[in-house]
Amino acid sequence: DAGVIQSPRHEVTEMGQEVTLRCKPISGHDYLFWYRQTMMRGLELLIYFNNNVPIDDSGMPEDRFSAKMPNASFSTLKIQPSEPRDSAVYFCASIYSGELFFGEGSRLTVL
Amino acid sequence: QQPVQSPQAVILREGEDAVINCSSSKALYSVHWYRQKHGEAPVFLMILLKGGEQKGHDKISASFNEKKQQSSLYLTASQLSYSGTYFCGTETSGTYKYIFGTGTRLKVLA
Repeated sequence: DAGVIQSPRHEVTEMGQEVTLRCKPISGHDYLFWYRQTMMRGLELLIYFNNNVPIDDSGMPEDRFSAKMPNASFSTLKIQPSEPRDSAVYFCASIYSGELFFGEGSRLTVL
Repeated sequence: QQPVQSPQAVILREGEDAVINCSSSKALYSVHWYRQKHGEAPVFLMILLKGGEQKGHDKISASFNEKKQQSSLYLTASQLSYSGTYFCGTETSGTYKYIFGTGTRLKVLA
C-alpha cells in the first residue's frame, strides 16, 4: 500500500487566502485523523472521523477551520480565511489495530 | 488534556540508556509511543493497553502504570538511529481520541 497520501506537501499563501489540504487514507482504515504540529504546541488533534462521520471536532481552533470526508478515500481540511498563526505542519493519519499511520504532512506558511 | 513528558530533551552517547516519562492527569485506557525524525512523520513504536503487559521492541521497551496514570519508555544501549523526538499519545477511553504530549528530543552522539 502507498500509505497515507497528503497534498500539497508545501503551501505558501498570503493572509486572508483560502487553503485546502487533502488526504487519502490507507484503504480499509476506517478512522481518519487531522493533527497540527507546531514547536509551541506539539501535535494537536484537530478532528477525527469514523466511517466518514466526524466523531470529535473539539480541537478545531476556530470557525475558520472546517473538515470534510465525503467518502472513505478522501478528506479535506480547509482554512478560510488563513492567518499567519495557522502556519504549521498539518498531518493526516489513519489507524489500524490501534496504530496511527501518518502521512508525510503538509507544511503551511501563511505570510 | 495534554500529557506531560519528561525530560524535554536528553543527550546520550552511543551505548547509554535513557528513560522518557509520560504522565496524565486523567485515567488512561492506553498509551502509545511514537518517534519522529526531523522533517518526517511520526512513526509508531508501541502501544500499551490498560491491564496489558509491558511491551518490548528490540532494545526499546515501555511500561504502563495505570494507577499512577504514567508510562515510561526505556531505551537501552542507544544507537545513533534512536535520535529524534519521542511522543507519547494517551487515550482516556476506547474511542481512539489520541492526545499527544509535547515530546522529548533525544540526541545520540557517537
